[in-house]
Amino acid sequence: DTEVTQTPKHLVMGMTNKKSLKCEQHMGHRAMYWYKQKAKKPPELMFVYSYEKLSINESVPSRFSPECPNSSLLNLHLHALQPEDSALYLCASSQESASGGTGQYFGPGTRLTVT
Amino acid sequence: GENVEQHPSTLSVQEGDSAVIKCTYSDSASNYFPWYKQELGKRPQLIIDIRSNVGEKKDQRIAVTLNKTAKHFSLHITETQPEDSAVYFCAAQFHFGNEKLTFGTGTRLTIIP
Repeated sequence: DTEVTQTPKHLVMGMTNKKSLKCEQHMGHRAMYWYKQKAKKPPELMFVYSYEKLSINESVPSRFSPECPNSSLLNLHLHALQPEDSALYLCASSQESASGGTGQYFGPGTRLTVT
Repeated sequence: GENVEQHPSTLSVQEGDSAVIKCTYSDSASNYFPWYKQELGKRPQLIIDIRSNVGEKKDQRIAVTLNKTAKHFSLHITETQPEDSAVYFCAAQFHFGNEKLTFGTGTRLTIIP
């Protein structure tokens, strides 16, 4: 399996809702990421998990809560979001390299709309 | 802080001609430079990458060059086809052993049939 999968594809939620985004990869990659992408902008890093431990949090508001249950799964729990949080949420994975720098492979994304 | 600049922001070329997209980075410690292609409504797709110990890499119609001294790297697409139309992002990794990428702002490439 050479793909990163994400569910759901689309999500509409109110500002008081709680929802979760899911990501899965079976490539044996040990690093997983969450990105947020607004229209006509590059992906913006939110979190990095390395060997199932959170290694980078790019000062993301606490209404976004990541979770890595195992080496293949990555979740993003959403609570009390704001309309400006509407975006495409991308998951990615990569094979960590001690020499630095390996390709990140992206999932198809979840298109989130906050009403 | 770290910064990747990408030019041009939009590029239109006739089908069959070549396209070149250029990026500059600020941190001389960067050691990995991938390029991503993102079609409308699709995921970013890794199309080619280069490491700092290599000056040029080619894969069929696409090539990437790296000038470490000038801190420039470029994407070259030859014999362009309509399916090359997309947004292209360059990126650079600034942290040794850490997988944080910093992306350029993107280039919208349009191939004119």
